[in-house]
Amino acid sequence: QQQVKQSPQSLIVQKGGISIINCAYENTAFDYFPWYQQFPGKGPALLIAIRPDVSEKKEGRFTISFNKSAKQFSLHIMDSQPGDSATYFCAATMTSGGSNYKLTFGKGTLLTVNP
Amino acid sequence: DVKVTQSSRYLVKRTGEKVFLECVQDMDHENMFWYRQDPGLGLRLIYFSYDVKMKEKGDIPEGYSVSREKKERFSLILESASTNQTSMYLCAIESSGRAPDTQYFGPGTRLTVL
Repeated sequence: QQQVKQSPQSLIVQKGGISIINCAYENTAFDYFPWYQQFPGKGPALLIAIRPDVSEKKEGRFTISFNKSAKQFSLHIMDSQPGDSATYFCAATMTSGGSNYKLTFGKGTLLTVNP
Repeated sequence: DVKVTQSSRYLVKRTGEKVFLECVQDMDHENMFWYRQDPGLGLRLIYFSYDVKMKEKGDIPEGYSVSREKKERFSLILESASTNQTSMYLCAIESSGRAPDTQYFGPGTRLTVL
């Protein structure tokens, strides 16, 4: 059972364009939604995260939009650059009820930004 | 700077061999995780540990075991490697003191089982 569905599987964007990656979740107990960025040959690294008490969070060119009623969240990369080319993973977890925060990951999106 | 070290970047083993993958951290974090990453399947949790000698199964524990004798070290063991365990293995750490915290990943070990 896949609890976090991520789309698209791959995405090609021109430099300067907007990259949009979408995720949908099923478990309404999830209350923390991070995005991880992975470059080839490296482990994933936290990019940005959001809690469901806000509908949007922005850090530089990266924005998470969150729709609690639809159980969906998305990553927007504004002014996409070739250096943003990487695999992006959305994730979700429950933070209540203990300190063991198992992340459930989406399957990943390979983003290619053409110069 | 957080440092998560994995014992090997690349490993080639034969079917039936016992394989040890080791993860070492320098952050004194309580939680440690082992994931495998496969194209099109994302990251899947194999096992995690929230304290020395404590472990819990993740989503795909079959064919694997783990050991955590010291806080800084978390080992993944393939008792009898099989070809379907060819994958990228990622270790991650996380502090349990602040909820939630970032999971920091190591660089990964690419294991090929022939």
